[in-house]
Amino acid sequence: DAKTTQPTSMDCAEGRAANLPCNHSTISGNEYVYWYRQIHSQGPQYIIHGLKNNETNEMASLIITEDRKSSTLILPHATLRDTAVYYCIVRDGSPSGTYKYIFGTGTRLKVLA
Amino acid sequence: KAGVTQTPRYLIKTRGQQVTLSCSPISGHRSVSWYQQTPGQGLQFLFEYFSETQRNKGNFPGRFSGRQFSNSRSEMNVSTLELGDSALYLCASSSLGGNSYEQYFGPGTRLTVT
Repeated sequence: DAKTTQPTSMDCAEGRAANLPCNHSTISGNEYVYWYRQIHSQGPQYIIHGLKNNETNEMASLIITEDRKSSTLILPHATLRDTAVYYCIVRDGSPSGTYKYIFGTGTRLKVLA
Repeated sequence: KAGVTQTPRYLIKTRGQQVTLSCSPISGHRSVSWYQQTPGQGLQFLFEYFSETQRNKGNFPGRFSGRQFSNSRSEMNVSTLELGDSALYLCASSSLGGNSYEQYFGPGTRLTVT
């Protein structure tokens, strides 16, 4: 079973920040939080990941709460091309951990013009 | 650097036949994972290979099998196809640098079983 809970869908106005929440209340100490997105019928695209600290890259920012039980993916200036299904995944990052992702149902983000 | 490539992109097969799908990972990536995506079940993990060895396997019947070659290219095979095997099959590759193991997905092979 997926270890994360996400809202089914969200809308965001073009040019505004899109904040996508994810609940992972059972996360363990060595599990990373990953975000991927999938634009219709394409392969999922890696966005960002983090363990404890907030992370930022050219695509997005990842805010992880201090207790690590939830996180938020922020797309700072959403465009129509950001319309996609966004998946939040937790995964064991240790060398002896599992190497598989368990995908949940994700959040369908629709960016509105 | 070239991305993950999958061949063929589209395939139509008849129930009872078998099919082989191919995946070429990003150069230097040694881990290859396979996923099945259907509208009803979403994205489901099939198996993962590293250095020609299967390290993890999802909950799929034995009709689904895979292998990895010494150059890290991977194939998956589905025997005795069923209508329910119609899906998008995705391959993802990963390097083993650090602890993060982010995966990079190919465009997928869309299999239709009639």
